[in-house]
Amino acid sequence: SAVISQKPSRDICQRGTSLTIQCQVDSQVTMMFWYRQQPGQSLTLIATANQGSEATYESGFVIDKFPISRPNLTFSTLTVSNMSPEDSSIYLCSVVYAQETQYFGPGTRLLVL
Amino acid sequence: GQQLNQSPQSMFIQEGEDVSMNCTSSSIFNTWLWYKQEPGEGPVLLIALYKAGELTSNGRLTAQFGITRKDSFLNISASIPSDVGIYFCAGQLGDSWGKLQFGAGTQVVVTP
Repeated sequence: SAVISQKPSRDICQRGTSLTIQCQVDSQVTMMFWYRQQPGQSLTLIATANQGSEATYESGFVIDKFPISRPNLTFSTLTVSNMSPEDSSIYLCSVVYAQETQYFGPGTRLLVL
Repeated sequence: GQQLNQSPQSMFIQEGEDVSMNCTSSSIFNTWLWYKQEPGEGPVLLIALYKAGELTSNGRLTAQFGITRKDSFLNISASIPSDVGIYFCAGQLGDSWGKLQFGAGTQVVVTP
């Protein structure tokens, strides 16, 4: 399986600020995704991070709030913009690696005050 | 919105007992995945299922892809304390490659 790391692992932020989360994979992968897991909830897909082009967002998520970059096949960033307490969640990147199996990073735990 | 129904929501069992959980959907999935998440960690893949009727084991874990492609179950045999965690099913629709829909999770608590 691919080894996935995320930075930061956790952060506490003030409302109105923005945070950029990084996802690094140890090998080239075909697809990368960003998910959100709100407290005590399941995972919800935010967007597909497309290499070299704009991300594809799921219903309820927009680029202005969650801009995503994917400059190459091993790296992606997710920015949570103009944060509010409702954005407090775990943000996870995932990758599809060999056999179309999907693996998740350790997550970034965000608390917005 | 979420299309997967996962049950039970939680289970409190004694060490050595077997655990069974399942997911059902109104939609047909072409892939079922089962994950385990422990506090402070991301979901860890346990078993992946790709064909209707497929039965796959991973140690004490056994999962099956339902014949109708609308359901899947996960069994854990002879539970041990380290089985504690939240177990999620996830399904991939045929026209949404890589995009997973998750069940609500089953919280498993194992008492010695």
